[in-house]
Formats: sequence, C-alpha cells, structure tokens
Amino acid sequence: QVQLQESGPGLVKPSETLSLTCTVAGGSVSSANYYWSWIRQPPGKGLEWIGYIYEYGRTDYNPSLKSRVSILVDMSKNQFSLRLTSVTAADTAVYFCARGFGESLYGFSFDPWGQGTLVTVSS
Amino acid sequence: DIQMTQSPSSLSASVGDRVTITCRAGPSIDTYVNWYQQKPGKAPRFLIYAASNLQNGVPSRFSGSGSGTEFTLTISSLQPEDFATYYCQQSYTPPYTFGQGTNLEIK
Repeated sequence: QVQLQESGPGLVKPSETLSLTCTVAGGSVSSANYYWSWIRQPPGKGLEWIGYIYEYGRTDYNPSLKSRVSILVDMSKNQFSLRLTSVTAADTAVYFCARGFGESLYGFSFDPWGQGTLVTVSS
Repeated sequence: DIQMTQSPSSLSASVGDRVTITCRAGPSIDTYVNWYQQKPGKAPRFLIYAASNLQNGVPSRFSGSGSGTEFTLTISSLQPEDFATYYCQQSYTPPYTFGQGTNLEIK
C-alpha cells in the first residue's frame, strides 16, 4: 500500500522560496506509470493542482504557477520535491502530495494523497 | 482551463437522507469526472472515477452519474461518517481543476 508524507518548513517569508519534500513508501517514484503530483488548498478554500513529475523527470505545471514552480525527483531517496519561488500571502495553503495516474478511457486521478502540510507565508 | 462549478456550496441533511450534489463542467468533458471526499484536517479520499465507477472499498450507497457538462454524486442513505466536503475534479486534461466543494453538514 503506497503512502505519501509531506515535510518542510511551516513558515516562509514573503518573496522567499517555499520548499517541500514528499517521501513515498510502499511504491517507487521511478515507476513509469505514475505522475507524482502536488496540489494545494488555501485555508477554507478549494483544491488547486500545482503540477507533477513523471517519466524520469518530465514535468507539467499549472500555467497559473508555471513561472514560479519546479518539481524535482530524487530516486535514490524515493522522494519528490516542490519549489515555489517569490511567495506571497496568497501562497499560504495546505500543500498535498499525491500519486496521479491516467488512462485514456477513465481520465486522470489522484490517489492516494499525503496528509498535507500547512505552509504560512508571513514575515 | 475547464471550469467546474459545484452546487450547492453547502447542504444540511439528516442520517438516512438521500442527497445529490451537482457539478457542471465547461466545456463538455464526456465522462471525465472524479469525486473526492474530504474530512476536516484530512487528505481527500478518492471515491468515484469516470463519472460513475466506484473506487475499491467505497460503499455502494455512493453513486455517480452524468456526461458532457452535468454530473451528480448521490448518497442514497446518509451515514454519520458521510458528513464531509465533497469535490468534483475534471480528469480530461491539464490543468486538472476541481469544483469549489460542497460541505455536507448534519441537520
């Protein structure tokens, strides 16, 4: 059973870089079938897909964040990470990592998810 | 981006009630819709894929339907553990987008 766990600082100053890591247990980030994803949820609001990494380093990002985001994978540690630069208060959110997968017949889904980690942007 | 609009945004119901949540997509996305359940402080749980297919382990009181631009999630007889927030997600093309959520509360 695959489990994901986010880790990283809970407080980031405005204009700095948010960095989070997702550790995967019970599965491998080197699997070609999955898309290792980041999704966020501002307090009291809905879910926003940030992006994913797949196929040994290919990435796709939400255009709304593309200029500021990067997702990397570390196969030796079975982890993937999120970097979001030039953060503002609008980036305050719970950040989830998730495993994504897709089939042409059924579409693209996220399952399972990590528990999420709250990142607050404040000076 | 494909817009997903859920209604209602909140809903009060009692144990045993039948409830339906609607999600409208723009533009049409065939049956490429998923549904998730989220409880406070927890990660979303994957319930339904491709509009009407229950994920393994999801109780049969949950069902989904729809195609094109209108989709529904129905819970046939509410149980205490079903009170949560529900999200639809378009699974058709990136950027993958979610509805704003429906908060299902105990009446």
